[in-house]
Amino acid sequence: KQEVTQIPAALSVPEGENLVLNCSFTDSAIYNLQWFRQDPGKGLTSLLLIQSSQREQTSGRLNASLDKSSGRSTLYIAASQPGDSATYLCAVINTGNQFYFGTGTSLTVIP
Amino acid sequence: NAGVTQTPKFQVLKTGQSMTLQCAQDMNHNSMYWYRQDPGMGLRLIYYSASEGTTDKGEVPNGYNVSRLNKREFSLRLESAAPSQTSVYFCASSEAPGWEKYFGPGTRLTVT
Repeated sequence: KQEVTQIPAALSVPEGENLVLNCSFTDSAIYNLQWFRQDPGKGLTSLLLIQSSQREQTSGRLNASLDKSSGRSTLYIAASQPGDSATYLCAVINTGNQFYFGTGTSLTVIP
Repeated sequence: NAGVTQTPKFQVLKTGQSMTLQCAQDMNHNSMYWYRQDPGMGLRLIYYSASEGTTDKGEVPNGYNVSRLNKREFSLRLESAAPSQTSVYFCASSEAPGWEKYFGPGTRLTVT
C-alpha cells in the first residue's frame, strides 16, 4: 500500500520568507500528485496537480516539483504572507486511480 | 459555479439514529467520492462512484451506504449512527478517476 509522509508536521516562519514543504511516497508507480490547502474548519482547495510525466508545475508564488524515482515532491512558496497560513496536504494518485493523502503540514506565517 | 456543495454543514445525532448527507456538483464531473477526516488519521475514502450508475467501496465503508442519484448528486447514508462515526465528512468530484479532485466544504457530524 502506498504510504505518504509529510514532514514537518508543523512549520512557523516570518512573513516574506521563502519556504519548502515536503511530501514523500513509498511507491514510485504513480499517475499524478496533487497539492491541496485546507484552512481551519474548511474544505480542501486544489493548488496544483503534477502529472507523472512532468517535473514541475507553477501557479503564482507556488511551485511544485516531482521526482518519481526518489519518491519525493516539494511545494515551494515564495515570499510567504500571513494569508498563506493553512494546512498543506499532498495526495498521491497511483496507477489504479486511488488517492493516498499525507497528514499534512500546518504552516503559520508570522506578520 | 458553486463547485461542490454539501448539506448539512453541521449535525448532531444520537447513537442509533439515521441520516443522509447530501452532495452535489455542477462541474459535469463523472466521478464522485466521500471521505472522512479524523485527527491524526488524515483523509480516508469511504465510497466512490467512478461514473453515474456505479459505486464502489473505499478504505472504510462499514456502517455507510451511498447512492449516485444522477450525474450531479451523490449521497452518503448512515443507517444506525455510532460514536465512532463522529468526524468531518467531505464530498469530492473529478472529471475522471485519478484526475484533479475538487472538494466540498464538509459536514461536521457528532454522534453522542
